[in-house]
Amino acid sequence: DIQMTQSPSSLSASVGDRVTITCRASQSISSYLNWYQQKPGKAPEVLIYAATSLQSGVPSRFSGSGSGTDFTLTISSLQPEDFATYYCQHSHNDQCSFGQGTKLEIK
Amino acid sequence: QVTLKESGPVLVKPTETLTLTCAVSGFSLSNAKMGVSWIRQPPGKALEWLAHIFSNDEKSYSTSLRSRLTISRDTSKSQVVLSMTNMDPVDTATYYCARIYLHSGFNWFDPWGQGILLTVSS
Repeated sequence: DIQMTQSPSSLSASVGDRVTITCRASQSISSYLNWYQQKPGKAPEVLIYAATSLQSGVPSRFSGSGSGTDFTLTISSLQPEDFATYYCQHSHNDQCSFGQGTKLEIK
Repeated sequence: QVTLKESGPVLVKPTETLTLTCAVSGFSLSNAKMGVSWIRQPPGKALEWLAHIFSNDEKSYSTSLRSRLTISRDTSKSQVVLSMTNMDPVDTATYYCARIYLHSGFNWFDPWGQGILLTVSS
């Protein structure tokens, strides 16, 4: 099974900061990598699919990069509504798995 | 508008079998570009994928839970059902269903249902 490892597990930042979250796969997954945002008490929502494609309706301050085993989610200028938990997820084969999550908190 | 809604018991006893239903609307379970997945999240913990089912009735299960899971669909009722046997307190979690959207060889979960919190306790 492919394991997904996110770093950091938690992160404190301020409004306006640029933030990067990293996700590493235990083997190559090409670009089969999605990013989700989850707010407390709510279901996750997709932000980025296929590693770099922005889901319709998602603000352009969110971007994704990477391929193979190493991926990043970048938020260019944090807004108050961005404080949440972020998960990566691979969709490489008939299995899938999520990273352990990165909790983004207000500094 | 695409929506999914989970239903089922909120409390089961250890060793019992859990049956959850996902009612979908706004898309057809026969649509080749779509499928449905079940995902769970223990309180305060990460998301864990459980199973998929696609329009051609192809199914896939988590390796670690395969022996306990069965996913099925009723296209006429627009429902996907997940059964999990031999429930244990560690299975306490919010259980989500989500549409799998397929495009250009890629797939992702969008949207998700609101989730149902299940407690396993005697």
